Amino acid sequence: DGGITQSPKYLFRKEGQNVTLSCEQNLNHDAMYWYRQDPGQGLRLIYYSQIVNDFQKGDIAEGYSVSREKKESFPLTVTSAQKNPTAFYLCASSKGQAHRSGYTFGSGTRLTVV
Amino acid sequence: GQQVMQIPQYQHVQEGEDFTTYCNSSTTLSNIQWYKQRPGGHPVFLIQLVKSGEVKKQKRLTFQFGEAKKNSSLHITATQTTDVGTYFCAGPRSGGGADGLTFGKGTHLIIQP
Repeated sequence: DGGITQSPKYLFRKEGQNVTLSCEQNLNHDAMYWYRQDPGQGLRLIYYSQIVNDFQKGDIAEGYSVSREKKESFPLTVTSAQKNPTAFYLCASSKGQAHRSGYTFGSGTRLTVV
Repeated sequence: GQQVMQIPQYQHVQEGEDFTTYCNSSTTLSNIQWYKQRPGGHPVFLIQLVKSGEVKKQKRLTFQFGEAKKNSSLHITATQTTDVGTYFCAGPRSGGGADGLTFGKGTHLIIQP
């Protein structure tokens, strides 16, 4: 079955470390997105990519970086510059533009700074 | 930028009672989408509304899009324990829609048996 796979499910990071969250999809979707979810904050867009080798900053991109070298993959790196990285990170994809077809979400990665 | 506001933040109901969540945008939306997130899970797409005044039904769920395309509602009739979760509305971040979606903060539905 097609879907989006995020790994790991849980991740613990020490202060000052960079960590990379994996997101892989086999839906043949062009667009991919990273959102951050905090209690009471809803979902906030970090980065998005409409095509391979191209991506744009979302509303809260500071302290994060991404790459889109393959259509299937959109990894997110949480850098040490991100001041409050503890959150639930959700990767999503859409067949075309999201407002036309809706998102398919992965099961998420819970990142905790220890 | 685009803002989508959702109320209430929390709603406690007795099983069998009805539930409604409301979504309001600061600007006219080309469309609005609704998602459900179960506790501990990820958001799942429910529906998209496109036309002014549109009403769509999915079993006990009724979705409406306002005439001015700036507000929307989700109504659940006779809630069941399987309805527990957080319901989000989402609209295009920009007029063209190529920049992803902006989400409301969600309404947490809590059902007491």
